[in-house]
Order: sequence, then C-alpha cells, then structure tokens
Amino acid sequence: NAGVTQTPKFQVLKTGQSMTLQCAQDMNHNSMYWYRQDPGMGLRLIYYSASEGTTDKGEVPNGYNVSRLNKREFSLRLESAAPSQTSVYFCASREDRVLNEQFFGPGTRLTVL
Amino acid sequence: GEDVEQSLFLSVREGDSSVINCTYTDSSSTYLYWYKQEPGAGLQLLTYIFSNMDMKQDQRLTVLLNKKDKHLSLRIADTQTGDSAIYFCAESRGAAGNKLTFGGGTRVLVKP
Repeated sequence: NAGVTQTPKFQVLKTGQSMTLQCAQDMNHNSMYWYRQDPGMGLRLIYYSASEGTTDKGEVPNGYNVSRLNKREFSLRLESAAPSQTSVYFCASREDRVLNEQFFGPGTRLTVL
Repeated sequence: GEDVEQSLFLSVREGDSSVINCTYTDSSSTYLYWYKQEPGAGLQLLTYIFSNMDMKQDQRLTVLLNKKDKHLSLRIADTQTGDSAIYFCAESRGAAGNKLTFGGGTRVLVKP
C-alpha cells in the first residue's frame, strides 16, 4: 500500500496563476482532508470531505476550491494564487471510527512569487 | 490552531526526559492526540488518550491529562536523537469528532 500520495512535491507559481494539487489514498477511507502548515501556526484545515460527493469548509477556505473526484482522490485548486498562499500543503485521510487517526501524505511545498 | 497552545521549542540532552506541554479549550473532545512530524514528512499519530483517563503509558511515552485545567503533556523518557522532530497536540472537534484542531507544534532538538 502506498498510503496517501501527493503531487507535485514542489511548485513555484507567479501571483495570479492557477494550479491543482492532487491527493490520492489507497486505504479505502471515507474521510479526506486538506491542511496548510505555516511556521508556528501548526496545521490549519482548509477543506475536508466526509465521503465521496461531499465537501465542507474548514478554518481557512478562502482562495481554495476542492473536488472529491471519487473515494480515492481529493484535489485542491488555487484559482488565482497569492503570496499569502505560500505554504506547505498536506492531504490526509482517516477511517470512520471514533479515534481520529489521520494518515498524512508527504506534503507539497508551494511558493507564490 | 489558536485554541490549542504549545511552546515553540524544547532542547534536551540525549538520555534525559523531555516534557512537552499543551493547553486546549474544547472540553467535549473524546480523544486528545499527540502527532509527530519528522523533517520533510507528514504527521504520524504517536499516541493518544481517551478523555476519561488521567494517564496513559506506552513504552517510553507517558501522556498526562488534567481535564480540570485543560492541560495535556507528553513525556518522553530516555530521549534519543531520533526523537528530534516537531510534536503537535490535537483535539477532535466537529460532528462525530471528524475534525482535528492542532496546536502550533513544539520543535524538540535532542543534543548528543
């Protein structure tokens, strides 16, 4: 099992460009998450999906959109990138049980110039 | 993560004990968690404690929970260089506890 995979690993964008971050999991999990990690601020939830076909906003959704394409894949799109979106982005998934053990991908380091 | 607070940095000598502290706000959390992030990687669940417990021990790890003060701590005994990482505490929130709120993370540096 590959677990949670993310592409790309690194990306540099200019202000105003768009891009999509891809995430896939092979653990048959229903719930998937997108976080951003900034120094000293921990991880902040951008969007999550409790099941295929559903998505909900997290703590910092502005400037982002998501698509839960199927059970395996959950993508994050930046329509018009801004320097404030420079961050490390993590995707995660979890089983449906009371213990919230989330499995994280390796992250995408995004720089917006 | 502003509702879950941790100190930013901890330096410890190899072989000593490390204690990482965390305060949280949501008293309805069913579980509280410690996640570990090694350099260049995503987070991994290290340990957790059920909210009706005061203490949980797992090999070199001891988790203490003070519900009255909403204080959580993680003690690592006999700290090794491989324990150098960022440690995040987290509480579960939302419907069915399906969201985690993370603290800002404590960077632990183990010196030989």
